[in-house]
Formats: sequence, structure tokens, C-alpha cells
Amino acid sequence: AQKITQTQPGMFVQEKEAVTLDCTYDTSDPSYGLFWYKQPSSGEMIFLIYQGSYDQQNATEGRYSLNFQKARKSANLVISASQLGDSAMYFCAMREGKFYGNEKLTFGTGTRLTIIP
Amino acid sequence: DVKVTQSSRYLVKRTGEKVFLECVQDMDHENMFWYRQDPGLGLRLIYFSYDVKMKEKGDIPEGYSVSREKKERFSLILESASTNQTSMYLCASSFSGRAPGETQYFGPGTRLLVL
Repeated sequence: AQKITQTQPGMFVQEKEAVTLDCTYDTSDPSYGLFWYKQPSSGEMIFLIYQGSYDQQNATEGRYSLNFQKARKSANLVISASQLGDSAMYFCAMREGKFYGNEKLTFGTGTRLTIIP
Repeated sequence: DVKVTQSSRYLVKRTGEKVFLECVQDMDHENMFWYRQDPGLGLRLIYFSYDVKMKEKGDIPEGYSVSREKKERFSLILESASTNQTSMYLCASSFSGRAPGETQYFGPGTRLLVL
């Protein structure tokens, strides 16, 4: 079974609109962390935001926020007021288990976001 | 700022050639990783290393080997390149893996074409 599922291969959004990128995950471990990365056409992966399984509040970083619904096992990325520079591939990733000794990340297949002027 | 560099952005090799992909990080990170990225498959872990001379297999180690002789450098080796190894290869590093929110830092990637 897929551990990380991103069901939207591609999305087109008008500039200045808010965007929600979907991510669902599958784990039986109570300790885990969820990451979102952005990959522009240059290729480098850029860390955006992190949510821990025990975090009480949804994570926010500037225009990025994470809609974390633990019971539904979803961790959707919300980008407010989208900009042309937000056009990129976006990957959701998970790290399971107690963090020491479990450095591996499992990635989803990604969503290509295109912002339309 | 953390900097992860990869020796080549683009590489063209012939089937059967031995290929070396080099990765260097400048932040004294303990962990280093090699991924391959293919359309529709996301990133898949090939190998990772949590210390000098230490390595562990990831999800798709077949056809690859790695070397970490110095803390800052992690090499990916394709002993005999095949066309199905044509891909984007991404190197990453992380400080220790002990902090919950600790991210991996990625290099710019190497696009490898095997003819």
C-alpha cells in the first residue's frame, strides 16, 4: 500500500487565489512527521513546512499552512494568495517512528502546480 | 545556509559504463541520502549513510553502490550503467535525524541519460 498518496497529478490555479494540495498518509506508528517540499524547474527541493503527529496546532509558515486531520490521515498544504513563483512540483513526505534512527523519508508522487496570471 | 552540491547537473553515459555521482555538503551533517526521481513515481531512496563508512540500503538499491570515506562526501556508483537507470538523481543531507522537525537539505540534482 502507498504510504503517501497525492491524488492530484496537476493543478491550475489563478494568481492570488488560495490553493489546497492534497496528501493522505498511511502509518500504524503513533509517532510520525509530515513534510512538504517544493521543487521548482531548477530541480532543487525546498523545505516548506513540517507537522508532527503530536503537534496540537496546525503548522503555519508565512503563506503556507498545513491542514492536519489526524483521524482522516490527511495533511493538506494550503498556499494563500498564490503567486506566479509558486508554480512548481510539490511533494508530501513522511517520517515514521521514533525519530532517532529513523531518518528516512517516504515521498508521494507529487503535484505539479501551475499558477495562471 | 546549508549547501549541498552535486558534481554534475547533466550527464550522458553509455550502457555498461561505470558512473560516479558525487555529492558534497558543507554543514557537518551526519546523514546523507541518495534518491532517484522519476515522473509519476516521486522520490525513491536508493541508499543512505548515517556516518563515515556506514551505509544502509534504501528501497531500490539494486544496481547501485555507495561510498562515504569522508563525512562531507557521499558518492553513488553505477557499476554498469543500464538504460533503466536514466533518471534524475538527488542527494540530500540532514544534521542528525534526532530532532522531530529536522528536514533534509537537497542538492540541485543530476539528470543522467544512459544511451
